[in-house]
Amino acid sequence: DTGVSQDPRHKITKRGQNVTFRCDPISEHNRLYWYRQTLGQGPEFLTYFQNEAQLEKSRLLSDRFSAERPKGSFSTLEIQRTEQGDSAMYLCASSLGANTEAFFGQGTRLTVV
Amino acid sequence: DAKTTQPPSMDCAEGRAANLPCNHSTISGNEYVYWYRQIHSQGPQYIIHGLKNNETNEMASLIITEDRKSSTLILPHATLRDTAVYYCIAKARGTYKYIFGTGTRLKVLA
Repeated sequence: DTGVSQDPRHKITKRGQNVTFRCDPISEHNRLYWYRQTLGQGPEFLTYFQNEAQLEKSRLLSDRFSAERPKGSFSTLEIQRTEQGDSAMYLCASSLGANTEAFFGQGTRLTVV
Repeated sequence: DAKTTQPPSMDCAEGRAANLPCNHSTISGNEYVYWYRQIHSQGPQYIIHGLKNNETNEMASLIITEDRKSSTLILPHATLRDTAVYYCIAKARGTYKYIFGTGTRLKVLA
């Protein structure tokens, strides 16, 4: 068990470009979460998957954001037409069930220039 | 989920116990208290959680008051590697969303 894996760890992109991040959860974890964290703040919930179904999407997620979890395994988070305000750490977490603790990955730090 | 309140920062001498308080006066009966920590530039790390009984694991102890309105995370022998931001979260059984505040920045001093 290598934990939750996120790729890339760092991404610098120009404003207006599209970016995609990948998250590989702990195997057998059927719940997967995406969070966003800006400097000095705690992580903020973005979206939640149970298996391949996306069950909740935060209002923080504008139409430029989309997340998928095909086949209930890895997940991708895409940001279209990036803006400077999208600069943040994007964190992925997974858990075995709703009543078990979530384990977080190391995050992808996005910088939009 | 109940709101939690933590001091913004604390210092602790290396080798001493670090006691991190958390107030959750509006916590409901089915809400657990979770503690996570985040070392600089890393993802949050799960520490411990509990409902009403005190809990202990290899990392820490969690003391919850009888009325459940507050709790204390205890790191028995703090080391420099325990320097991190510690988050206290109240999360209801069966829910999946962790609502993080700004946490307590613990600095362990040599």
